Amino acid sequence: TQLLEQSPQFLSIQEGENLTVYCNSSSVFSSLQWYRQEPGEGPVLLVTVVTGGEVKKLKRLTFQFGDARKDSSLHITAAQPGDTGLYLCAGAMNYGGSQGNLIFGKGTKLSVKP
Amino acid sequence: ETGVTQTPRHLVMGMTNKKSLKCEQHLGHNAMYWYKQSAKKPLELMFVYNFKEQTENNSVPSRFSPECPNSSHLFLHLHTLQPEDSALYLCASSRESGYPSYEQYFGPGTRLTVT
Repeated sequence: TQLLEQSPQFLSIQEGENLTVYCNSSSVFSSLQWYRQEPGEGPVLLVTVVTGGEVKKLKRLTFQFGDARKDSSLHITAAQPGDTGLYLCAGAMNYGGSQGNLIFGKGTKLSVKP
Repeated sequence: ETGVTQTPRHLVMGMTNKKSLKCEQHLGHNAMYWYKQSAKKPLELMFVYNFKEQTENNSVPSRFSPECPNSSHLFLHLHTLQPEDSALYLCASSRESGYPSYEQYFGPGTRLTVT
């Protein structure tokens, strides 16, 4: 069974601080997607990383896929209250009849206080 | 606006009721998915449809019955649910299923409460 562990589970910081969220697995994924979900809404796709070692930037957000494609990190620089939400990572399975299906982590709940 | 809509947004039903959740995607995708999101658990994949054919049933109880009449519409028919079925039910779509690089786009979800 492929599992994704996200850490930390909860993070409360002040506006302007930097933070890193981690997504780890013992399994290899074909790709990994990061989503942000706000209360009462569905997850919104932020980025997809495909190649081991890949780094993608989205304004103040930096996403990295591990060399072995088993882990990923999300770094936010100078966090703002608008970054508040639940951050989910999801790995795409790479074998058998379930290829392409997503395995989700439990998420990191981020609160950025003004 | 993600291009995936779900109705109703909120639903309260008794254990003996029958209700249906509806999902519609306007992205021209061919794969649609149902997920369940409960507190303190990861999103759980329930069903996958690719070109209207069901390709995955993730050991979901028969009180949940999906229907996909075409690639743009997906339904989840509910009957004789249990209180533990209370959750946020999310619909998603992608270009096709079975391709890890094809990204999934989610609707806003239906918050279901079973009393």
